[in-house]
Amino acid sequence: SAVISQKPSRDICQRGTSLTIQCQVDSQVTMMFWYRQQPGQSLTLIATANQGSEATYESGFVIDKFPISRPNLTFSTLTVSNMSPEDSSIYLCSVVLTGFIGYTFGSGTRLTVV
Amino acid sequence: LAKTTQPISMDSYEGQEVNITCSHNNIATNDYITWYQQFPSQGPRFIIQGYKTKVTNEVASLFIPADRKSSTLSLPRVSLSDTAVYYCLVGALNNNAGNMLTFGGGTRLMVKP
Repeated sequence: SAVISQKPSRDICQRGTSLTIQCQVDSQVTMMFWYRQQPGQSLTLIATANQGSEATYESGFVIDKFPISRPNLTFSTLTVSNMSPEDSSIYLCSVVLTGFIGYTFGSGTRLTVV
Repeated sequence: LAKTTQPISMDSYEGQEVNITCSHNNIATNDYITWYQQFPSQGPRFIIQGYKTKVTNEVASLFIPADRKSSTLSLPRVSLSDTAVYYCLVGALNNNAGNMLTFGGGTRLMVKP
């Protein structure tokens, strides 16, 4: 199975600033996904990031707020822009491995906005 | 995407068998049933996946009736370390759509000594 590294693992940020979260996978993957998990809640998909194309955002999430980069098959970034306390969540990167129906997740980034 | 319904929470004691049932009445022909486990401050971890009948691995068993409208995750002889949230997901691999699995609310399992 793939190893997924996320950085930072946690951060405390001032409102109005932006944070970029990095996701590094130890193998090439076509599909990468970014999820948000608010405190005590389930996971909500933010967007799908495929290399070589624009990210596809789910309803309620927009590119201006959550710009995503996918420069190659092993790396992606998610930026949380102009943060407010409502953005305090765990942000998770996940991938789909070839031949596997399901996700493999990173350990997440715990973001607190003050 | 098939919607899933699970109990919000369950309590158990060490050494007991725990069965968590998930309803997915509108499951599609190509959909698989997948269960994840999530500990606090960690990403979800794959437990088991199945299409029909019974699947067993070193961690759990998954029972799926013939109509596939529900499934039951069975954890044998749970320990305190099995305290976690368990998610049932239903979906199929779709290279174009991407989001082939949607997370429901999950079941919060508390194992007591």
